[in-house]
Amino acid sequence: NAGVTQTPKFQVLKTGQSMTLQCAQDMNHNSMYWYRQDPGMGLRLIYYSASEGTTDKGEVPNGYNVSRLNKREFSLRLESAAPSQTSVYFCASSERTGYSNQPQHFGDGTRLSIL
Amino acid sequence: AQSVSQHNHHVILSEAASLELGCNYSYGGTVNLFWYVQYPGQHLQLLLKYFSGDPLVKGIKGFEAEFIKSKFSFNLRKPSVQWSDTAEYFCAVIAYGGATNKLIFGTGTLLAVQP
Repeated sequence: NAGVTQTPKFQVLKTGQSMTLQCAQDMNHNSMYWYRQDPGMGLRLIYYSASEGTTDKGEVPNGYNVSRLNKREFSLRLESAAPSQTSVYFCASSERTGYSNQPQHFGDGTRLSIL
Repeated sequence: AQSVSQHNHHVILSEAASLELGCNYSYGGTVNLFWYVQYPGQHLQLLLKYFSGDPLVKGIKGFEAEFIKSKFSFNLRKPSVQWSDTAEYFCAVIAYGGATNKLIFGTGTLLAVQP
């Protein structure tokens, strides 16, 4: 099925470990995003990439890094995991049509627990 | 800065009851507006969107939303809810013509429909 694919779906880490979350989309979208979802806080943008070769910080970037590997792939890295990073992480992609910002398509999420 | 408020954090309804979920945004310019739904354990899916034109927007599964510019509101409605509508609902806004295509999400409303 076309869409946004995230791996892994679940992961448990120990404090201080590093990890990379992978995201790929096959819709030829220019823009890609990483969010975290926490109870009562909605979705908060971590980083985004408006187009291939560019990345920018979102609302909560501390403790994370990203790489836009190519147009399809956008990875999120935790260099030294902390319990506060326990969350569900969603990747999304979207396209622009003129000045209209088309809806974002979301992946299934990665449930990350840090002990 | 843009922001989105969803004042109903948790709503409980019986089947066949009518639904209205509030969404207010803060932004002085033209906006694109979205409602997303997240069923238990799933990713976010687009319910409906408003770009321009008729302020009454119809989406999937019998949902509709009305954009009232003077009130900065985009409330979601459904005349008769079903048990299968149990989910979390997110309102989101993006500045029209914004270079970065960043969505701002509300904190979500958890809807529980009792059979």
